[in-house]
Amino acid sequence: GQQVMQIPQYQHVQEGEDFTTYCNSSTTLSNIQWYKQRPGGHPVFLIQLVKSGEVKKQKRLTFQFGEAKKNSSLHITATQTTDVGTYFCAGPGYGNKLVFGAGTILRVKS
Amino acid sequence: ETGVTQTPRHLVMGMTNKKSLKCEQHLGHNAMYWYKQSAKKPLELMFVYSLEERVENNSVPSRFSPECPNSSHLFLHLHTLQPEDSALYLCASSQDPTGFYGYTFGSGTRLTVV
Repeated sequence: GQQVMQIPQYQHVQEGEDFTTYCNSSTTLSNIQWYKQRPGGHPVFLIQLVKSGEVKKQKRLTFQFGEAKKNSSLHITATQTTDVGTYFCAGPGYGNKLVFGAGTILRVKS
Repeated sequence: ETGVTQTPRHLVMGMTNKKSLKCEQHLGHNAMYWYKQSAKKPLELMFVYSLEERVENNSVPSRFSPECPNSSHLFLHLHTLQPEDSALYLCASSQDPTGFYGYTFGSGTRLTVV
């Protein structure tokens, strides 16, 4: 079945450093979504990308959808302690149900 | 508040108990979902309901029994659970079953089976 792979699994950065997580799908996606889950919290929808090569920004977060619509990235500039959490990508799978990646856990050392 | 309310927030139950998890969404969404989130595992889709009809059951053991009496409410009935069923159970809703506009998750029920 359709799979969504995320790397890295875990990243520990110094506050102020940049962070990037990558998402790769085995199939072409009609759209890709990103979610953030704070420690002890629940996943929260961040953004959706639909167009090939699309780039969207939310303050220090930059989201990109690949030209082939099979991969995506989330880049955080100058991380802050408030960025800690797990970042998930998700794309439509079999039966159009969302398939979530395993997530990238971000820890920020101040 | 996310618009999706789950109760209880925490639940400890013995293996012979019967309990129910409740989810209510106030967003006018047409699809609702149960997910299981275990430590170091991806989100596992358990059940999908679209307009109160179950459209997916992902090979979930029969000790988990969902119920969707209307488009705003979703229950997960639990009986004779195993310790490995301990996890965070998340309810989510979306405008339509494709989830194209994103999922809204509840805060989850942290379940411990003893």
